[in-house]
Amino acid sequence: QVQLQESGPGLVKPSETLSLTCTVSGAAIDRYFWTWIRQIPGKGLEWIGRIDDKGGLSYNPSLKSRAIISRDTPKNQFSLNLISVTAADTAIYYCARDKGCGSGGCSNQYDSWGQGTLVTVSS
Amino acid sequence: QAVVTQEPSLTVSPGGTVTLTCGSSTGVVTSGQWPYWFQQKPGQAPRTLIFDTSKKHSWTPTRFSGSLIGGKAALTLSGAQPEDEAEYFCMLHISDVRVFGGGTKVTVL
Repeated sequence: QVQLQESGPGLVKPSETLSLTCTVSGAAIDRYFWTWIRQIPGKGLEWIGRIDDKGGLSYNPSLKSRAIISRDTPKNQFSLNLISVTAADTAIYYCARDKGCGSGGCSNQYDSWGQGTLVTVSS
Repeated sequence: QAVVTQEPSLTVSPGGTVTLTCGSSTGVVTSGQWPYWFQQKPGQAPRTLIFDTSKKHSWTPTRFSGSLIGGKAALTLSGAQPEDEAEYFCMLHISDVRVFGGGTKVTVL
């Protein structure tokens, strides 16, 4: 069973960098695509970006290049850094498995999610 | 950036049928946009019900089905149960970016 757990500070000051880590158990991160999604409490979902099995990256252009996703394969973790945060970045941040693809096609589409972590941007 | 639209709210009677739709500002929604449907209950992370338009995960109740209708992605709930009361979000792949709809609040009443 795949499990994902977000970790990081719950409070970040405006203009600073929000840093979150997703620790994955039960699946090797270099075999799948992984994604970050956020949700302002009581509002909708926003896709932040994705890292694929080869380390390729894709981001939501609405974040204006402030998001950086990376991975640490030995630790089986992937991370999100969001720079120059404002109060508008206050949200619940989720990590999730995007999919896994092989010669037989893709599978495991968004089948595993972390529980989410609330990050508040405030001085 | 593309905008994905959903009905803000729908009400269905217990045992009834309701269809939620997911449209795109870019035009007709196609299977090539790999429509997803997620269910979210208060205080919980989203749960994926449907992917690739109509495919289900092992945990997806059989009463949920996905399709394309009238140029939109659709999620049909047939035989609504009280536990189906939740927010439902669709997501489309548009130009290598994933875009969520604003969500539909489904009330079973």
